[in-house]
Amino acid sequence: DVKVTQSSRYLVKRTGEKVFLECVQDMDHENMFWYRQDPGLGLRLIYFSYDVKMKEKGDIPEGYSVSREKKERFSLILESASTNQTSMYLCASGYQPQHFGDGTRLSIL
Amino acid sequence: QQPVQSPQAVILREGEDAVINCSSSKALYSVHWYRQKHGEAPVFLMILLKGGEQKGHEKISASFNEKKQQSSLYLTASQLSYSGTYFCGTEEKTSYDKVIFGPGTSLSVIP
Repeated sequence: DVKVTQSSRYLVKRTGEKVFLECVQDMDHENMFWYRQDPGLGLRLIYFSYDVKMKEKGDIPEGYSVSREKKERFSLILESASTNQTSMYLCASGYQPQHFGDGTRLSIL
Repeated sequence: QQPVQSPQAVILREGEDAVINCSSSKALYSVHWYRQKHGEAPVFLMILLKGGEQKGHEKISASFNEKKQQSSLYLTASQLSYSGTYFCGTEEKTSYDKVIFGPGTSLSVIP
C-alpha cells in the first residue's frame, strides 16, 4: 500500500513564525501536492510538484512556498504565519489516483 | 477553476439512492471522485477519462459527459458506510496533472 506520511497531526504556532510542514511518500511518485481544507471550500490546491526541484503554483499560493530537494519529500513553508492560515493541510502524492496523508491541523495564534 | 458540486448536503435512509453532480466551465480531460470520512484522509473511488465513460465500484458508479463537462456519482441502495463527504476533482485539458477539487457534498446515511 502507498504510504503518505505528514510529520505532524496537530501543530500550534504563533503569528509571524516560519512554519514547515513535511510530507514523505514511499512509492517513488513524481507528482506531489499540497492542499488546504476549509469547511465549505473543499480541497484547495496550494502548490504541486511534478519532479525534484520542480514546482507549480496552485490556486492559492500566496503566503506559501514549497521545497522538493528529494523525490520522496515535499515540504510546505509558511514564510510568516498569519491567523488566516489556520486550517487543515493535506499532502497527496501520485497521479490517477492521488494518495492522501492524514493531514496536519495547523492553528496560528 | 473550482468545479461546482450539487447538492451541498444530503441525508438518506439506508437502502435509498442518491446522485451527486459535478460540473465545470472548462474542457475536461478527466474527473476523479473521492470520499472522505470524518477525521480521515480522502480515499480514491474512481477516475473517468473519456467522454461518456461509466465506471462502477460496488454499488457506487459514475458517468462523465465530456461535451457538457459534467460528471455524476450514483450511490445505489446506500449503506451506513457510505456516509462522508464526496469530492469531485477535475483535470482540465489545458493543465494535465493538476486536479482541482470541488467544495464537496456531505452525505449522511441514517438507519
